[in-house]
Amino acid sequence: EAQVTQNPRYLITVTGKKLTVTCSQNMNHEYMSWYRQDPGLGLRQIYYSMNVEVTDKGDVPEGYKVSRKEKRNFPLILESPSPNQTSLYFCASSQYRRDRVYGYTFGSGTRLTVV
Amino acid sequence: GQQLNQSPQSMFIQEGEDVSMNCTSSSIFNTWLWYKQDPGEGPVLLIALYKAGELTSNGRLTAQFGITRKDSFLNISASIPSDVGIYFCAGQSPIQGAQKLVFGQGTRLTINP
Repeated sequence: EAQVTQNPRYLITVTGKKLTVTCSQNMNHEYMSWYRQDPGLGLRQIYYSMNVEVTDKGDVPEGYKVSRKEKRNFPLILESPSPNQTSLYFCASSQYRRDRVYGYTFGSGTRLTVV
Repeated sequence: GQQLNQSPQSMFIQEGEDVSMNCTSSSIFNTWLWYKQDPGEGPVLLIALYKAGELTSNGRLTAQFGITRKDSFLNISASIPSDVGIYFCAGQSPIQGAQKLVFGQGTRLTINP
């Protein structure tokens, strides 16, 4: 089944303790992206990657890091989480042809709570 | 970042009724996507539109890419309880390219049986 898989689904952590949220897609998509979703603010892009070793900042990159060493994986790293990073996080992937996205698919989400 | 104007923000309807919602933008888009999101879950792609004027159906759902390229519409016919959820539009600007989808704030659909 074609899908974007995020882990973990739920995570409670303490301020300052480094964590990684994994994202993997099995569709051979070039493009991958991370979003956070907060009530009243909608979906906001954190980072995106157009291909292996190519990443760039989205609208809210502060406090996050990403890497794209393999096409299928795009982990989100919080080096020193803070309570304002408590949110629902989504990974997404897509084909990218002639400057358009095709099959923009989201993962099931990771609910992160930082205390 | 830029947001799309999606309306209505919420709808309360009776089972069996038809539903219409739309998204508008101040700039043109070359792609429109419609998603449904259940609470705590990821958005699921319903319909993708790639050409101005395009009309595409997915079961009881029909979406259209506006002729002006600045709007899109989603219709749901004969609503059923499982249609409850939040519906999002997303657009891709030809200027900003594939790296930045712009999202609407969502339409929350509630159905009374």
